[in-house]
Amino acid sequence: DAGVTQSPTHLIKTRGQQVTLRCSPKSGHDTVSWYQQALGQGPQFIFQYYEEEERQRGNFPDRFSGHQFPNYSSELNVNALLLGDSALYLCASSYRLTGDNTEAFFGQGTRLTVV
Amino acid sequence: AQSVSQHNHHVILSEAASLELGCNYSYGGTVNLFWYVQYPGQHLQLLLKYFSGDPLVKGIKGFEAEFIKSKFSFNLRKPSVQWSDTAEYFCAVNRRNAGNMLTFGGGTRLMVKP
Repeated sequence: DAGVTQSPTHLIKTRGQQVTLRCSPKSGHDTVSWYQQALGQGPQFIFQYYEEEERQRGNFPDRFSGHQFPNYSSELNVNALLLGDSALYLCASSYRLTGDNTEAFFGQGTRLTVV
Repeated sequence: AQSVSQHNHHVILSEAASLELGCNYSYGGTVNLFWYVQYPGQHLQLLLKYFSGDPLVKGIKGFEAEFIKSKFSFNLRKPSVQWSDTAEYFCAVNRRNAGNMLTFGGGTRLMVKP
């Protein structure tokens, strides 16, 4: 049973560029959340997708956008990259119908470095 | 908005020592509480969770945590740590009936000396 998979594992981009990160949820899960983990800090919630729509959003600018596909996989897009966007980006999946009382499973993350 | 505080940023223990990591949250409503662990080079894994019922919850690998509602705390404990417990530990909460958006603390990096 595949867990949450993310690609790529590492990425280096230049300021001002755009980046797309990808996530495949754990088998049977229909909800995908994205988190940003800066060095030495805990993960911060970016947004959550369910039924191909953004359902919740954290305190991140519109440069951060996403998409969910019919197979439940998801993409995170960041435009106009800033040095401060350098971080580990984590994808977490869960099953919506279990509501809040559900465990989120995390992928290994994509390490983004902006130079 | 809710927030989570983990007061110990770095903890160094010898094997067989007892562990207690503090976690406090600020939110007046009903919450679910979690402890996640991140071993070196690995993904975040759930150690234990509290949704309701007995405030003392037991998780994997001998860890337990106690929810004290009056103190807004959910401290993690282990009676005797092992070298393999070296990892970073994150406390997290989500608000009941508000989606499962997790708010994480800043993490505690634990090093266990053999």
